[in-house]
Amino acid sequence: QRVTQPEKLLSVFKGAPVELKCNYSYSGSPELFWYVQYSRQRLQLLLRHISRESIKGFTADLNKGETSFHLKKPFAQEEDSAMYYCALSPLNNQGGKLIFGQGTELSVKP
Amino acid sequence: DTAVSQTPKYLVTQMGNDKSIKCEQNLGHDTMYWYKQDSKKFLKIMFSYNNKELIINETVPNRFSPKSPDKAHLNLHINSLELGDSAVYFCASSRVRTVANYGYTFGSGTRLTVV
Repeated sequence: QRVTQPEKLLSVFKGAPVELKCNYSYSGSPELFWYVQYSRQRLQLLLRHISRESIKGFTADLNKGETSFHLKKPFAQEEDSAMYYCALSPLNNQGGKLIFGQGTELSVKP
Repeated sequence: DTAVSQTPKYLVTQMGNDKSIKCEQNLGHDTMYWYKQDSKKFLKIMFSYNNKELIINETVPNRFSPKSPDKAHLNLHINSLELGDSAVYFCASSRVRTVANYGYTFGSGTRLTVV
């Protein structure tokens, strides 16, 4: 069980599309999340795979074939600059454990 | 109104000291967690408690001892602090049965600096 975010830092200009990559290894169909951490703040749930929602213009699609759950936004804003974590909840729950990726720092330049 | 609150927010202490971090949640959740965020921002689970019972203990040194007096509180006591313990410690809570649906609610973190 592993979550991999291959990019430590992603830098884009305001208005550009952004994609934060997340790949997982898990033998089954896990539930997946994206969390966001703005500078020196608590981690906040951004979106959940199970609800298929769009929050702050971000979306994420589960691709079971590629075992990926990439986070996308068509037009980045400066206020999107933050640390983003992809997380996996194993279906057998394991006491409520969430497995986090290493995080990707998104920097949106004016 | 704060859902998951941690104290203190900042903690600076000398090597060898013993310190505690407190966490409280008012969400009615049955499970609480401690995560460590290291200098590279990597988040790793340390412990989880469900209704005061230890569920997860992830190869954490014995110097770290969690205590859950009731399901709304999970404290972390650290003995003989070392430089490598410097990190941000996050408390979180959830309902264990709905983690897959709703994830966690996190506290604001405690930045521990050992000098």
